Amino acid sequence: NAGVTQTPKFRVLKTGQSMTLLCAQDMNHEYMYWYRQDPGMGLRLIHYSVGEGTTAKGEVPDGYNVSRLKKQNFLLGLESAAPSQTSVYFCASKDRVWNSPLHFGNGTRLTVT
Amino acid sequence: SQQGEEDPQALSIQEGENATMNCSYKTSINNLQWYRQNSGRGLVHLILIRSNEREKHSGRLRVTLDTSKKSSSLLITASRAADTASYFCATDGTGTASKLTFGTGTRLQVTL
Repeated sequence: NAGVTQTPKFRVLKTGQSMTLLCAQDMNHEYMYWYRQDPGMGLRLIHYSVGEGTTAKGEVPDGYNVSRLKKQNFLLGLESAAPSQTSVYFCASKDRVWNSPLHFGNGTRLTVT
Repeated sequence: SQQGEEDPQALSIQEGENATMNCSYKTSINNLQWYRQNSGRGLVHLILIRSNEREKHSGRLRVTLDTSKKSSSLLITASRAADTASYFCATDGTGTASKLTFGTGTRLQVTL
């Protein structure tokens, strides 16, 4: 039982390049989330999904797109990376039961030069 | 914008001492949760307290919630070196989809 798995763990991009971050969970959770973590700012919600085929914007969605084609996977895309997107990205999932906790992956550290 | 603000930003104590971290938030909540993050790792859920609860215990953890003051505290008793980590409070608001809003965290260092 792997929980939440994020790939890749590290990536360096040049400004303007694109990439996709993959999140996979094996807990059959309905809800999935993408957060970014920057020094001194805690975690901020980028996009989230309440089920297969549905996505919604969070607090800081600009410059990112997401897709949830399969229940177990939640993809985060950067179409044209910018230095401001240098961050650590965390995926999380949770059961739809009210008051259930988030389960996090170990993060992807992205540097945009 | 951050929902939760935590205090202190950093805390250094010796093994065996108690550690107290505080969290303040701004809007109505369904519940408040505390998470721990070890360096280079994802967050791990510690404890959840519902808006109608005032205090909750789990092992060496004690959480209080004061909805009138919009604040919470996390007490770790008899700290161990393995408790060294960052601790975050997160609020689950009254909207749908359980979108947690995280505080900025407290860095706890427990020395031998």
